Amino acid sequence: DAKTTQPPSMDCAEGRAANLPCNHSTISGNEYVYWYRQIHSQGPQYIIHGLKNNETNEMASLIITEDRKSSTLILPHATLRDTAVYYCIVSSTGNQFYFGTGTSLTVIP
Amino acid sequence: DAGVIQSPRHEVTEMGQEVTLRCKPISGHNSLFWYRQTMMRGLELLIYFNNNVPIDDSGMPEDRFSAKMPNASFSTLKIQPSEPRDSAVYFCASSLAWGQGIEKLFFGSGTQLSVL
Repeated sequence: DAKTTQPPSMDCAEGRAANLPCNHSTISGNEYVYWYRQIHSQGPQYIIHGLKNNETNEMASLIITEDRKSSTLILPHATLRDTAVYYCIVSSTGNQFYFGTGTSLTVIP
Repeated sequence: DAGVIQSPRHEVTEMGQEVTLRCKPISGHNSLFWYRQTMMRGLELLIYFNNNVPIDDSGMPEDRFSAKMPNASFSTLKIQPSEPRDSAVYFCASSLAWGQGIEKLFFGSGTQLSVL
């Protein structure tokens, strides 16, 4: 079962930052937070992951709270192509992913 | 790299027929995964291989499903006999360093299976 809670849907205006929250209050010390997204009719795509520290890459930023019980994925300047279902996954090394239902993000022109 | 390649892209078959789905992982990746996605159940892991060896097949729904990985560049998922409830999108994914701290999956485009 998924160990995370995400809002089922969100909207964001094109060009604005999209902030997608995720609660993982039962996360263990050795579990990472992963974010994937799935654009319609495609396979899921890796975005970013982190353990304790905030992370940034060319796609997004990941902010993890100090107690690690929640995190936020930030898409700094959302475009229409960012419309997708975003999955927050908690897992330790070598263990399987449970994708859950994710957040359906719609970027509005 | 061409990414993970799955075939066919779409498959329509009749109940009772055998269905074979194919996957070519990214060259050099040592782990391969088969997932199934439906509206009701979302993305479910069926089986995964590490270095061509099946490690966890607990997600395989029943004996009608079987998966093989005869070499590092090819895997099949077979359903025999197929049933309408098997209709779903089947994804294959591969990973370079699964179990080494960077659990990054690369997914194929999926096979849309319809069993009539």
